[in-house]
Amino acid sequence: GESVGLHLPTLSVQEGDNSIINCAYSNSASDYFIWYKQESGKGPQFIIDIRSNMDKRQGQRVTVLLNKTVKHLSLQIAATQPGDSAVYFCAEISTGYSTLTFGKGTMLLVSP
Amino acid sequence: DAGVTQSPTHLIKTRGQQVTLRCSPKSGHDTVSWYQQALGQGPQFIFQYYEEEERQRGNFPDRFSGHQFPNYSSELNVNALLLGDSALYLCASSLKNRVSKNIQYFGAGTRLSVL
Repeated sequence: GESVGLHLPTLSVQEGDNSIINCAYSNSASDYFIWYKQESGKGPQFIIDIRSNMDKRQGQRVTVLLNKTVKHLSLQIAATQPGDSAVYFCAEISTGYSTLTFGKGTMLLVSP
Repeated sequence: DAGVTQSPTHLIKTRGQQVTLRCSPKSGHDTVSWYQQALGQGPQFIFQYYEEEERQRGNFPDRFSGHQFPNYSSELNVNALLLGDSALYLCASSLKNRVSKNIQYFGAGTRLSVL
């Protein structure tokens, strides 16, 4: 399928490494955040979410950290696998709304 | 349980034409949102439908319109196509819930090319 990753920041890691993908958001009124994974030719796939009253949430092999002071999100992927190669987007939802505002995305490339 | 399905998968049109894209939400979902994703960019919100009405709209011209049917499926219509309308059009479904924010689940998209 066509790549969604043209001109995106790229993070290249080796299989088994831990990956950290960062995202800066702009709206201080945002109170809910989601990380999505998008593989070539597919729509975004939900990974993990976090509310603004939390600063950390863990899932299976993934952890999201939220720093509201500097409006920064990060996604940590433990023991990265080749199947994790994709474009990762953070998205935010503002109080009173239910629509997603997406960040620019980061392409993760995992080498065997 | 089928996820979000979109049709067609690919479409080629010429400038000035009109196009209709279709979306069936995930089973049990009642809200449909449409997004436009240009190559190398994140998805941009177009509008959201709930109870057959447009509830929220992003910064898109009136050439972009939509509809939601009683079975919650939805259509996106674009009139007077421009070259810049070439993009991947994504549909996302969710369940309106006053208690919590709802995760939006995306379809694979329709790739529209305007020549």
